[in-house]
Amino acid sequence: DAMVIQNPRYQVTQFGKPVTLSCSQTLNHNVMYWYQQKSSQAPKLLFHYYDKDFNNEADTPDNFQSRRPNTSFCFLDIRSPGLGDAAMYLCATSLTRSGNQPQHFGDGTRLSIL
Amino acid sequence: GEDVEQSLFLSVREGDSSVINCTYTDSSSTYLYWYKQEPGAGLQLLTYIFSNMDMKQDQRLTVLLNKKDKHLSLRIADTQTGDSAIYFCAEGYNNNDMRFGAGTRLTVKP
Repeated sequence: DAMVIQNPRYQVTQFGKPVTLSCSQTLNHNVMYWYQQKSSQAPKLLFHYYDKDFNNEADTPDNFQSRRPNTSFCFLDIRSPGLGDAAMYLCATSLTRSGNQPQHFGDGTRLSIL
Repeated sequence: GEDVEQSLFLSVREGDSSVINCTYTDSSSTYLYWYKQEPGAGLQLLTYIFSNMDMKQDQRLTVLLNKKDKHLSLRIADTQTGDSAIYFCAEGYNNNDMRFGAGTRLTVKP
């Protein structure tokens, strides 16, 4: 089945130690998104790629970066994780940026900071 | 600012219908979505409705949209214990940006 796959499902890192989260998709979608979701809250969009074009949300901290080396893969890099960055990180894809193309989500990576 | 609001909790008995409500404020949204999130998992798209539609039915799910009042509801018929999850309402725009509500936690009691 075509899908959005996030690895790992659980990630533990130390305060200040860089960490990379991975997302891959077999849907051949043009758009890939990264969201941060804290407990009992709505997902918050960090940024998205439309093909190779990177679009950062205005309030996304500089500590968060992203890479998309090809259509299938997208990475979230947290350069110096703080305790406040502990959250579920969700990757999503959509075929285009058209409103009739729903976003499809992976199962998320839960990040813990020690 | 504009917001999407949902009740935080809903509890029903197995076999009853569940109705999860959502209000939004931005009339420029073009699509309204319902996602389901089970514990420790991502968001699963359940259904969505174009903003010029009033109703959409898909098996046990019925979506009602009152655009005048900016009110969206999701009805789950014959609710089962497997329906226990958090349900997110979201409004979508022509550029596919989405704004989510905080989610309604549905608990189904046997």
